[in-house]
Amino acid sequence: EPEVTQTPSHQVTQMGQEVILRCVPISNHLYFYWYRQILGQKVEFLVSFYNNEISEKSEIFDDQFSVERPDGSNFTLKIRSTKLEDSAMYFCASMWWGRTGSSTDTQYFGPGTRLTVL
Amino acid sequence: ILNVEQSPQSLHVQEGDSTNFTCSFPSSNFYALHWYRWETAKSPEALFVMTLNGDEKKKGRISATLNTKEGYSYLYIKGSQPEDSATYLCAFGNFNKFYFGSGTKLNVKP
Repeated sequence: EPEVTQTPSHQVTQMGQEVILRCVPISNHLYFYWYRQILGQKVEFLVSFYNNEISEKSEIFDDQFSVERPDGSNFTLKIRSTKLEDSAMYFCASMWWGRTGSSTDTQYFGPGTRLTVL
Repeated sequence: ILNVEQSPQSLHVQEGDSTNFTCSFPSSNFYALHWYRWETAKSPEALFVMTLNGDEKKKGRISATLNTKEGYSYLYIKGSQPEDSATYLCAFGNFNKFYFGSGTKLNVKP
């Protein structure tokens, strides 16, 4: 069965450093998402991406964050200058959404990248 | 930010017990409600997508209902098994954005 993959599984970085988290969504999916979960808190929406542009972003997704689909298969989340409070599990998800008006598609999640900022 | 609440936070049941949990969400501008099963160290796995008021979905021993007018969905597990132990998440939103509840952690004792 197709699955969403994420690399690395764990990333440790120093405060102020840039990190890039990588995701390979399911190949025929059209919508891509990044979420994060700070330890002990809810899963939070960061950004959705469709047709090579950001579809919606949350207030968390400030200028320090960017997303890219550089080669038609990878979907990346870049944090330019990491802060201690960016430490979290980051999940990528993808959804097909190939039919106009359909609301029955579901998201498929990757296993997550644990980001630790020291 | 929309508030999605789940209750209870955790549940401990014996094998064979039936159980249910609740997801509450804003009743206005409803689009879809998703249920996920999330085992430790794995990806959240989609269970159901609920879109219409009165929807009832079933997958084996697990079923879900939806009331969009009052803003809640129930997830039922009949005859719980130890392999049902997981966190059950609901997410409310549309194709652009989803708001998650904090999850109900279910522990089924053999």
